[in-house]
Amino acid sequence: AQTVTQSQPEMSVQEAETVTLSCTYDTSESDYYLFWYKQPPSRQMILVIRQEAYKQQNATENRFSVNFQKAAKSFSLKISDSQLGDAAMYFCAYLRKGSNYKLTFGKGTLLTVNP
Amino acid sequence: GAGVSQTPSNKVTEKGKYVELRCDPISGHTALYWYRQSLGQGPEFLIYFQGTGAADDSGLPNDRFFAVRPEGSVSTLKIQRTERGDSAVYLCASSLSPSNEQFFGPGTRLTVL
Repeated sequence: AQTVTQSQPEMSVQEAETVTLSCTYDTSESDYYLFWYKQPPSRQMILVIRQEAYKQQNATENRFSVNFQKAAKSFSLKISDSQLGDAAMYFCAYLRKGSNYKLTFGKGTLLTVNP
Repeated sequence: GAGVSQTPSNKVTEKGKYVELRCDPISGHTALYWYRQSLGQGPEFLIYFQGTGAADDSGLPNDRFFAVRPEGSVSTLKIQRTERGDSAVYLCASSLSPSNEQFFGPGTRLTVL
């Protein structure tokens, strides 16, 4: 079974600074997706960024980028120029291609942004 | 509608009661998922519908949990004889097809007293 581990229950960053959230996963599959989701207090899960395992290039979305290390099964999220609106729970998630496409989530990291 | 909606937003019930939680997916989305998020945890998969049929219900914890999607759109998650351990946020997600992005609703917070 696939597992996703987020070893940082909480992180904090100063506004305008950069922060990196860690994620490791375990799988025997070679073709899969990895995601970072943001969950603000409103509870709505919002997709931040997606990475396909067969793509070596790291995904980027504006201020958000990932460091995908397939051999190490590591998938970290870097948030640059942090903003107050970035404060939320962040979940790393795994999805195996070709199955029913159910997401497997980590336990999350609570990010606080200090003004 | 613009996004996935779930009703009610909050539900408080007593142990042993029956509850129904509703999910309205984005129009045209054929895939629908239910997840359960316990306090301090990430969401856990419950069931996946492709159209009207439950393609995978391996995440349902026991036979007190049941879900339907009779017309391939709205889905209802049904919990019989609720227990305090069922207290959680129940999230619904839909996608255009299984390989596309899942869009989540705001969830229903269920509290069993």
